[in-house]
Formats: sequence, C-alpha cells, structure tokens
Amino acid sequence: ETGVTQSPTHLIKTRGQQVTLRCSSQSGHNTVSWYQQALGQGPQFIFQYYREEENGRGNFPPRFSGLQFPNYSSELNVNALELDDSALYLCASSLVAEETQYFGPGTRLLVL
Amino acid sequence: RKEVEQDPGPFNVPEGATVAFNCTYSNSASQSFFWYRQDCRKEPKLLMSVYSSGNEDGRFTAQLNRASQYISLLIRDSKLSDSATYLCVVNMRRGNTPLVFGKGTRLSVIA
Repeated sequence: ETGVTQSPTHLIKTRGQQVTLRCSSQSGHNTVSWYQQALGQGPQFIFQYYREEENGRGNFPPRFSGLQFPNYSSELNVNALELDDSALYLCASSLVAEETQYFGPGTRLLVL
Repeated sequence: RKEVEQDPGPFNVPEGATVAFNCTYSNSASQSFFWYRQDCRKEPKLLMSVYSSGNEDGRFTAQLNRASQYISLLIRDSKLSDSATYLCVVNMRRGNTPLVFGKGTRLSVIA
C-alpha cells in the first residue's frame, strides 16, 4: 500500500450541492496532486499543492478549489455540483523534487 | 490531437501469450514517461518508468522512441493476474509536475 488515504470512499450528492473530499499524504511527502477520472477515461489533473500553496492547475473551473494543511494533508472542494462531476477523485502524494506520485484509493462521487 | 493516445482495446489474450501496447504523445518537449497499471475500481499504480535506452523488469519491457514520440510496453508470458488497464503517462517537465494520462488499454488474460 502507498500510505495515501482518502475519505470518504463513496459519496452520493445531488446537483447544486457542495462536496469536500479529503486526502492524507504519505509520511514525509510535501506535495499533493488531485486528479479526476471519469468512467472509461484516464485521470485528468485538477491541481497540485505544495507547502500549502496551489502549485499548478489543470483545466477545471474555479468551483473546484483546494487546501493543503501544515501536516500536508489536503482537501478538494467542489461547489455547485453538476452531473458531469460524477467520477473517481484521486489524490497523489509525492516529494516536490521527485517524479513518482503515489495514489490513494480514491473517492467515488456520484451526482444525481 | 490528444496529448497522450493509446489503443483502448480490449486486448483478450490467452495465458502465456505476448502482448504489446503502444502509446503516442504530442508534446515533443515531454521529459518523463511511465506505464501505470490500474485494476478495476482501484487506483493507478506505477508499473515502470520508461527510458530512452529501454528498460526491463521481469516479463515487462518498456521502450521509448523520442523521434517518433512513441512509447511501448511488452508483456511476455501473460498471467491471469496481468488483467488490468494499462495507462501510458507523460510528464512534461522533470520533477514533480502534473502527470498526463492516456485513456488506458484494457487487457484481459484468459485461461
């Protein structure tokens, strides 16, 4: 196992609601990246956090936001949920200077 | 054109077969290349990095052709446990930058 944990494992929401997903990085890792994986697709980069600051963002609207805490854990917040937000949300932790990213088990979000 | 393209498959092969997956990438400035494996309803896991000189790990061999912007993965003597989706992944810069994933190629190894 990678040591990266995510919660919750599954979540069902309705359109317009807001959701917060959580990620605890592997011990010693200072960088967390979030990805969205729709069914049948590869993961798509949402954003990355390093030392509590956003360190890069993919092509996602501002209603996708995040935080990183001093212990390097992270949250992904999505406001005004849409049906297309239904996906597996993955976080990956790493050291800033290294290429290997270790993925957590993901949170499966269903928006009805 | 998508940044990373793969044949989605599925590839259905008998145990013991050799199977090859191909991947192309569009950004010639890409620096790092990987194959990840993803089991059904699980997270992606790093299978191997891909280097210009090629690299081998047991039954798995990865090759990179920078001139053609082409990456391959060869699996020899397929096992039932190799059944999974194989994701071709590209990193645009050295270091910890966003990974760009292909859609994945589904492999089913049949007894």
